[in-house]
Amino acid sequence: GENVEQHPSTLSVQEGDSAVIKCTYSDSASNYFPWYKQELGKRPQLIIDIRSNVGEKKDQRIAVTLNKTAKHFSLHITETQPEDSAVYFCAANDGNQFYFGTGTSLTVIP
Amino acid sequence: NAGVTQTPKFQVLKTGQSMTLQCAQDMNHEYMSWYRQDPGMGLRLIHYSVGAGITDQGEVPNGYNVSRSTTEDFPLRLLSAAPSQTSVYFCASSYGTDNYEAFFGQGTRLTVV
Repeated sequence: GENVEQHPSTLSVQEGDSAVIKCTYSDSASNYFPWYKQELGKRPQLIIDIRSNVGEKKDQRIAVTLNKTAKHFSLHITETQPEDSAVYFCAANDGNQFYFGTGTSLTVIP
Repeated sequence: NAGVTQTPKFQVLKTGQSMTLQCAQDMNHEYMSWYRQDPGMGLRLIHYSVGAGITDQGEVPNGYNVSRSTTEDFPLRLLSAAPSQTSVYFCASSYGTDNYEAFFGQGTRLTVV
């Protein structure tokens, strides 16, 4: 089955700096790659996603890149703000189910 | 739309007790799933369903049962609770083919003593 690895597990950045979180996957059948943000005590919420036929997608300060050949995808957050502090999860979907990474705890220091 | 509604929000069980976590969605989603979330381990799939009458096992199915008699509901049953099942449980749903965006319920924090 699919195996999704996520790095780093924790990340601290100064407010205004950029943050990058990276994930790799193993199954070339996976074709949908979402990123979820989870605040403490809350449910995961989708912040951006990308399909396998696209290399990059951007939504304001958030962007995701996908390299199908290398089987890795990354989340980029620019101009970070304290409210970006949360746990971020990547995932891969093979058409039936999601496989999640183990999460990155991002802290933005004011 | 209420989205994905999950109950209860908190539950304490004694070892050996059984219970059902409820999950309902009003978005006419075909795909529904149950995950458990443990510190440092992300979201692990317990069981999932791709439509009414169809269920399948995920990564960590032991000790749990599911059924999908309607499109809207996907209950998760703990047969005989064990301390190892102490976790936060999330239900999620999505349309499925061509639209995989998953919507999560509010979560259930379960403690087994």
